[in-house]
Amino acid sequence: GAGVSQSPSNKVTEKGKDVELRCDPISGHTALYWYRQRLGQGLEFLIYFQGNSAPDKSGLPSDRFSAERTGESVSTLTIQRTQQEDSAVYLCASSQPRNNEQFFGPGTRLTVL
Amino acid sequence: DAKTTQPTSMDCAEGRAANLPCNHSTISGNEYVYWYRQIHSQGPQYIIHGLKNNETNEMASLIITEDRKSSTLILPHATLRDTAVYYCIVSSGGSNYKLTFGKGTLLTVNP
Repeated sequence: GAGVSQSPSNKVTEKGKDVELRCDPISGHTALYWYRQRLGQGLEFLIYFQGNSAPDKSGLPSDRFSAERTGESVSTLTIQRTQQEDSAVYLCASSQPRNNEQFFGPGTRLTVL
Repeated sequence: DAKTTQPTSMDCAEGRAANLPCNHSTISGNEYVYWYRQIHSQGPQYIIHGLKNNETNEMASLIITEDRKSSTLILPHATLRDTAVYYCIVSSGGSNYKLTFGKGTLLTVNP
């Protein structure tokens, strides 16, 4: 079946603009995760969804970052008033309940000019 | 979650076994060892995980020492396509959703 998909694959925006990044998880995966990867660095956890609730938002770096999820389906990560330090690859992953084998999407490369 | 220590980089000849070490000396009893890899410009890919017994699947073998303070990921016959950054992650069963990725080991498989 289809894997995790993310859109857009690349996004270039100007400082101060808002951006929305989309993640379509694998069908049947109730858990969904967002990570950020800066150039040359490891992944930083941002937020975790179980169904459409987010029991752990501890990784969101500031209140400019928010995420929502519709049921056990699509999730959107929104960054308001983007800053240059937001430039990174944003990765989404999903997994089955009580299974920590996370399946990652290809990521969205965000560049803030 | 316990911290892990991995070498920054390793080289391996194509067709040979690649043995990637990981130290996790502060691992606690309910924490699992996970291995993921990330090929350039792609999302990470799950490889294998274990608690205390050695594990094997179609991709690799995981050897965990008896005291669980270290482990080794073994790719039995490395190919050029195995060139990637390999991440060793320790995560507890309770909060096992949160994977903390360090900088990993860049494995370069040479022809």
